[in-house]
Amino acid sequence: ETGVTQSPTHLIKTRGQQVTLRCSSQSGHNTVSWYQQALGQGPQFIFQYYREEENGRGNFPPRFSGLQFPNYSSELNVNALELDDSALYLCASSSGQGTQETQYFGPGTRLLVL
Amino acid sequence: AQRVTQPEKLLSVFKGAPVELKCNYSYSGSPELFWYVQYSRQRLQLLLRHISRESIKGFTADLNKGETSFHLKKPFAQEEDSAMYYCALSPGTYKYIFGTGTRLKVLA
Repeated sequence: ETGVTQSPTHLIKTRGQQVTLRCSSQSGHNTVSWYQQALGQGPQFIFQYYREEENGRGNFPPRFSGLQFPNYSSELNVNALELDDSALYLCASSSGQGTQETQYFGPGTRLLVL
Repeated sequence: AQRVTQPEKLLSVFKGAPVELKCNYSYSGSPELFWYVQYSRQRLQLLLRHISRESIKGFTADLNKGETSFHLKKPFAQEEDSAMYYCALSPGTYKYIFGTGTRLKVLA
């Protein structure tokens, strides 16, 4: 069984640029959630994808968007990067959309916006 | 507003001493509560959830709806318990709201 993987591990961008982060879900999982974790904070829910559809969204602006592919891997896209977007981005996969299913987290992508 | 508060950023205890990591929440309905743990150089992982009422690695947590708390407890701390602990709430859907975390240091 392969765990959740994320790429890249680190990324440096400048303000105004766009970025795409990738997540491969654990084998057998059809649900991916994305979180932003700023320094010294807990993870903040961005959105969740279930079977290629956005299932729910947290308090993030539309410039945060995502995709889920038929193999259930997922992308997080952030447009018009701002300095405050600097954070660790985590994805988590699970075998269903409800909270009764355990989320398994990836190692994260650390994004620095200059 | 839905909120999770972990008042302690850092908690240091000696090995063998009892541990209590505090978590208070703000939610008007019946939430699901969780504790997540992140050991050094490892991923964030689920430790326990209130609905299953289980004890994991000697840790327990009881949901107190009157005090809106879900404190994590262990009677005798071990050095391997040193980690970052996050309390999380879900209103029962897809969404999780995490607290800011408490770093537990168990001293030899």
